[in-house]
Amino acid sequence: GQQLNQSPQSMFIQEGEDVSMNCTSSSIFNTWLWYKQDPGEGPVLLIALYKAGELTSNGRLTAQFGITRKDSFLNISASIPSDVGIYFCAGFHTGNQFYFGTGTSLTVIP
Amino acid sequence: DTAVSQTPKYLVTQMGNDKSIKCEQNLGHDTMYWYKQDSKKFLKIMFSYNNKELIINETVPNRFSPKSPDKAHLNLHINSLELGDSAVYFCASSLSTFMGGTNEKLFFGSGTQLSVL
Repeated sequence: GQQLNQSPQSMFIQEGEDVSMNCTSSSIFNTWLWYKQDPGEGPVLLIALYKAGELTSNGRLTAQFGITRKDSFLNISASIPSDVGIYFCAGFHTGNQFYFGTGTSLTVIP
Repeated sequence: DTAVSQTPKYLVTQMGNDKSIKCEQNLGHDTMYWYKQDSKKFLKIMFSYNNKELIINETVPNRFSPKSPDKAHLNLHINSLELGDSAVYFCASSLSTFMGGTNEKLFFGSGTQLSVL
């Protein structure tokens, strides 16, 4: 199945720094989802986007649905140690399945 | 209340054995899935059921057989386990993915870590 290109693959940042990651696809989606996975747990939904250009926040997290409908972006402001984990994007088109990104591993150095 | 629950959390077994993983969702969703996450953390879809009907069956060995007794349950049975089956298996559900649903969200269970020795 299709796997979305997610970058960067990994990030090592200082506590307090902002984080940006993105996801690109060769296909158009009408839904973009962003997840965080902690070790030993399942992915947890952070933000859902349903409209091209949409900008949605969840606390310090902000995600955007790209205008082309082929990409999405996630920003984390003022990172804290508990932000550590793997972040996944997922794209979906009605009547189809969810396609996942390759993941971004985030390490926050206190 | 756990929305998507799967058991067991850990499964350690010998090569050649048969094992099952159970999954239940209390979200009232129509669509359920099994995903496999390998050591590189890639999430690969294995199967999808919509209201007890098999919709997606990716290239998965015949040793893997899903069963959905009702739309709230999707179990995974694995025959003749092999070393390469070691991975984390996730159950997930969404409202109505294949029936033209909009504003869809996908919810995951906490995973079953399968170790084949």
